[in-house]
Amino acid sequence: QVQLVESGGGVVQPGKSLRLSCSASGFTFNNFGFHWVRHAPGKGLEWVAVISSDGDKKYSADSLRGRFIISRDNSKNTLYLQMNSLRDEDTAIYYCAKGMRNLDSWGQGILVTVSS
Amino acid sequence: DIVMTQTPLSLSVTPGQPASISCKSSQTLLHSDGKTYLYWHVQKSGQPPQLLIYEVSNRLSGVADRFSGSGSGTDFTLKVSRVEAEDVGVYYCMQSIQPPITFGQGTRLEIK
Repeated sequence: QVQLVESGGGVVQPGKSLRLSCSASGFTFNNFGFHWVRHAPGKGLEWVAVISSDGDKKYSADSLRGRFIISRDNSKNTLYLQMNSLRDEDTAIYYCAKGMRNLDSWGQGILVTVSS
Repeated sequence: DIVMTQTPLSLSVTPGQPASISCKSSQTLLHSDGKTYLYWHVQKSGQPPQLLIYEVSNRLSGVADRFSGSGSGTDFTLKVSRVEAEDVGVYYCMQSIQPPITFGQGTRLEIK
């Protein structure tokens, strides 16, 4: 069955960087696009970024001002999110989700806390 | 960006009674390919979101048939014919016709 497992979260100081990973199994990874979506405390779901199946097309939320970079390694069945210049407001649970349009499967999520 | 507006933001329903959530988009979600890219997800306490309905009205495999989606263009509705205790959670509509993908604010469904 489809499994998506995020890792790499934790507590980080403002201004620092962190890289999240999402390891996939149970399906043909390179057939699907993927998203990162986050859920900050007390707020709704916020889309972060998307990458196409071959990695050629990438889009990220304008509000992130280029600080977050999505990438993938199809040889490792893994999706990444490089997060730079982290701010307090980036504190959230980060989810990876499968499917360019429908986000039909989600990982369990990984908590990122930005705090001094 | 396409703005998704859900109403109501919270709903308290007696078990066995129906529930309805409205979702309006600021632009049409009908693509030139003929599909309408409107989805419904639910997030239950302590769990990741999960897809319920795709392309307006198609239930994902395993989703109870008491859930139904309808609508077109910019106006959409999620209905639960008879609410059960396990339906408690926050329901989000989502559009993916164009990036950035956007979600509604979420509607919290509670049981009376």
